[in-house]
Amino acid sequence: AQKVTQAQTEISVVEKEDVTLDCVYETRDTTYYLFWYKQPPSGELVFLIRRNSFDEQNEISGRYSWNFQKSTSSFNFTITASQVVDSAVYFCALADYIPTFGRGTSLIVHP
Amino acid sequence: ETGVTQSPTHLIKTRGQQVTLRCSSQSGHNTVSWYQQALGQGPQFIFQYYREEENGRGNFPPRFSGLQFPNYSSELNVNALELDDSALYLCASSLGGQANYGYTFGSGTRLTVV
Repeated sequence: AQKVTQAQTEISVVEKEDVTLDCVYETRDTTYYLFWYKQPPSGELVFLIRRNSFDEQNEISGRYSWNFQKSTSSFNFTITASQVVDSAVYFCALADYIPTFGRGTSLIVHP
Repeated sequence: ETGVTQSPTHLIKTRGQQVTLRCSSQSGHNTVSWYQQALGQGPQFIFQYYREEENGRGNFPPRFSGLQFPNYSSELNVNALELDDSALYLCASSLGGQANYGYTFGSGTRLTVV
């Protein structure tokens, strides 16, 4: 069975701080995909990134960066110089076919 | 390119009633997946429809059922509503059922059962 653990329920930071959201996963599959989604108060899940299990290269996109480590089954997400607009719930998901989501981390960025 | 639209946005129903939620998939997408998101939880997979056939189902009872139409839009039906069915119901469309195709989510229908 697949499982995604996001141990941080809520993180509160002040604007311009860096913040890392943790994601640990469990799977027996050798081929799988990992995702991060952002859910603003409006409700829709906004896709941020997809990685396949064979690509451990870290990725940076503007203020966002992702660290994928198969050795520790982790796929962590860092926001550099956080902004108030980053306030949302962030979900990590794992899929061999259908995505399984973690419980999410609520990020609150204070001005 | 239009995204995924869901209707209605909010709904209040009484325990025991039946409800139908609707989803229009993104243009060009042939697969629709439905998720239930309880308050403070992550989305839970209900089922997926690919070319009008059910293509996978999560751990939900048979009173949760669905349809997909020739234009790839979809309905989620829930019979004999229970209080625990109160949740945000999310629809996602994709070109194919596999996660690597990328899912586009709608804004959801907030169902409250009283």
